[in-house]
Amino acid sequence: NAGVTQTPKFQVLKTGQSMTLQCAQDMNHNSMYWYRQDPGMGLRLIYYSASEGTTDKGEVPNGYNVSRLNKREFSLRLESAAPSQTSVYFCAGGLAGKGTGELFFGEGSRLTVL
Amino acid sequence: QKEVEQDPGPLSVPEGAIVSLNCTYSNSAFQYFMWYRQYSRKGPELLMYTYSSGNKEDGRFTAQVDKSSKYISLFIRDSQPSDSATYLCAMSFTGGGNKLTFGTGTQLKVEL
Repeated sequence: NAGVTQTPKFQVLKTGQSMTLQCAQDMNHNSMYWYRQDPGMGLRLIYYSASEGTTDKGEVPNGYNVSRLNKREFSLRLESAAPSQTSVYFCAGGLAGKGTGELFFGEGSRLTVL
Repeated sequence: QKEVEQDPGPLSVPEGAIVSLNCTYSNSAFQYFMWYRQYSRKGPELLMYTYSSGNKEDGRFTAQVDKSSKYISLFIRDSQPSDSATYLCAMSFTGGGNKLTFGTGTQLKVEL
C-alpha cells in the first residue's frame, strides 16, 4: 500500500538542464496535483489534473510542463532549470468531486538548481 | 497581500499546554477550511476539515471557523511532544474540488 510515490527524492541540477519528476498513486484518485513549497511562501499549486486526460495551470506554472500519463501517473517536467526553481516539490492526489479538501501527499522531491 | 495569512512561528510550548493556531483570509468565497500537519521532511497530511462556519472536534483537536471575521483556528488540548510539527491551514471554494490555497504554516514545538 504505497499511496503517493515520488521519484527522485533528491536531485541537483545545473542551470539549463532538464529533468522530470515522477509521481504515481495507487489510491484510485481522479485528480492529481503538483505543489512547490518554499520557506515563507507555503505550498503553491503549479499544475493540476482534475481527471485523466486533462491538465490545468495553477498559481505558478511558468517554467514547468506536466503530463497525465494515465490515471495513476502525473509527471512534472522542467525544460530548462533555473535557480528560482530550487524547492521541495510535492505531488498529491484526491477524489475529484468529493470537495472535502482531502489531498494525499507524497513525501516530496528536493530539487537544487545551481 | 496573500489570500491566506498565517504566523510562521516558531511556537514553543510545554507538554500539556493548550495550543492555539490561527489563520486569516481575505477571500469571502472560501467555504471549505482544513488543517494539515506536516512532520519534518514529510508530506502534509489532513488533520481537520470544516465546511463553512462553526466548530468541529476530534479528540484533542478542535477547529473553529468564523466567516464573519475571516478567521480560522485550531486548538490542541493536552499537547504532546508528538504534536511537534508544522501546521498548515488550507481553504477552497465551492466547486473548486480539491484545489487548495494554503497558508505558510506555523512551526510548533512541544517541549518535555
